[in-house]
Amino acid sequence: GAGVSQSPSNKVTEKGKDVELRCDPISGHTALYWYRQSLGQGLEFLIYFQGNSAPDKSGLPSDRFSAERTGGSVSTLTIQRTQQEDSAVYLCASSSSGGQPQHFGDGTRLSIL
Amino acid sequence: GQSLEQPSEVTAVEGAIVQINCTYQTSGFYGLSWYQQHDGGAPTFLSYNALDGLEETGRFSSFLSRSDSYGYLLLQELQMKDSASYFCAVRGYGGATNKLIFGTGTLLAVQP
Repeated sequence: GAGVSQSPSNKVTEKGKDVELRCDPISGHTALYWYRQSLGQGLEFLIYFQGNSAPDKSGLPSDRFSAERTGGSVSTLTIQRTQQEDSAVYLCASSSSGGQPQHFGDGTRLSIL
Repeated sequence: GQSLEQPSEVTAVEGAIVQINCTYQTSGFYGLSWYQQHDGGAPTFLSYNALDGLEETGRFSSFLSRSDSYGYLLLQELQMKDSASYFCAVRGYGGATNKLIFGTGTLLAVQP
């Protein structure tokens, strides 16, 4: 596609459930990033992929969070046993290997009840 | 660690010029970027300073001074559609990562 695509756009789930968020990057972009943005806050880095490898996972807040990328393209961010503090907008971005600029998707707004 | 500070809110009138500052504390970085985010939307790339000095892109200009640990985004001929949040960001040295560290963000309100 022309831009970064994320799905679903909105997700409401109960505390304790698992959720999967999907990101489809710009075709040809080897680098993919996940960020999190809480209401009225800045963007917080979660994880970075180069190809299918994740050389930087330093932003994942706990072991309930994991991500994978397959075929050098689509990525899935999984949150297990969701907690209310996980409520946020999860943004995916992609870039060429040089890392600049990063192109963002519209995000998934996650609400934990 | 790395931190970037911005004013939380700025208000200006249509047609005016506004400057959004970004001061940072970081051990080193490749360059300073600026992103715009309309309410509920995706952040979009505006400008990048790899070197000290001024970069101009249409109505937007960005400036970096590494010696002063300071940068700014200058918006000229403000339009109502410029009302948005603006974030500075750096890509730091160290490790095999291209991650961006974002500033606290500035909400710009353009008034008629």
